[in-house]
Amino acid sequence: ILNVEQSPQSLHVQEGDSTNFTCSFPSSNFYALHWYRWETAKSPEALFVMTLNGDEKKKGRISATLNTKEGYSYLYIKGSQPEDSATYLCAFIDYGGSQGNLIFGKGTKLSVKP
Amino acid sequence: GEEVAQTPKHLVRGEGQKAKLYCAPIKGHSYVFWYQQVLKNEFKFLISFQNENVFDETGMPKERFSAKCLPNSPCSLEIQATKLEDSAVYFCASSVDRGPATNEKLFFGSGTQLSVL
Repeated sequence: ILNVEQSPQSLHVQEGDSTNFTCSFPSSNFYALHWYRWETAKSPEALFVMTLNGDEKKKGRISATLNTKEGYSYLYIKGSQPEDSATYLCAFIDYGGSQGNLIFGKGTKLSVKP
Repeated sequence: GEEVAQTPKHLVRGEGQKAKLYCAPIKGHSYVFWYQQVLKNEFKFLISFQNENVFDETGMPKERFSAKCLPNSPCSLEIQATKLEDSAVYFCASSVDRGPATNEKLFFGSGTQLSVL
């Protein structure tokens, strides 16, 4: 059974703090890793799709890194703002039995206080 | 349309009643996916379609759950004889071409909250 673990489960930071969270996934048969940002009652929105070991992607104040050999990805938010408050989901695809479907972690819920 | 549209937003059913959820993917997207999120747990894959054909149904419960994507109609997910444990948010997503297997991101709808009482 493929498992995607995200930590921490929740995080409370002050406006202006920089923060990061982790996504761990099986390192064998890796194909791609997705990060999504999800505000409650809204649609999850794709942030990054990463495929290559060592990949680094950036979108504004949010960036992500990928280590496929050890099976983890970090998401960084620089200078957190209240509008960054959301649940950040990572999802993994392998070459094998998941048929190319995304296997999600439970997410990290970020709350940014003004 | 330019976004994945899911209806209804909320659905309340008594145990044993039927529930039907709808999803209109973004126009031009070939792949549709259904996910179930129970409580605050992870999104669980149910089924995917390539146009009107089932692509992967390995996540679908064998009984009571069925889904269709017919031409010129919204896709649907139907649950016969709902049970309490079916209470969840059901998300639909679509992608342009071959979906996650080609590193494409998914575009999600905002979900249907199903409450079975």
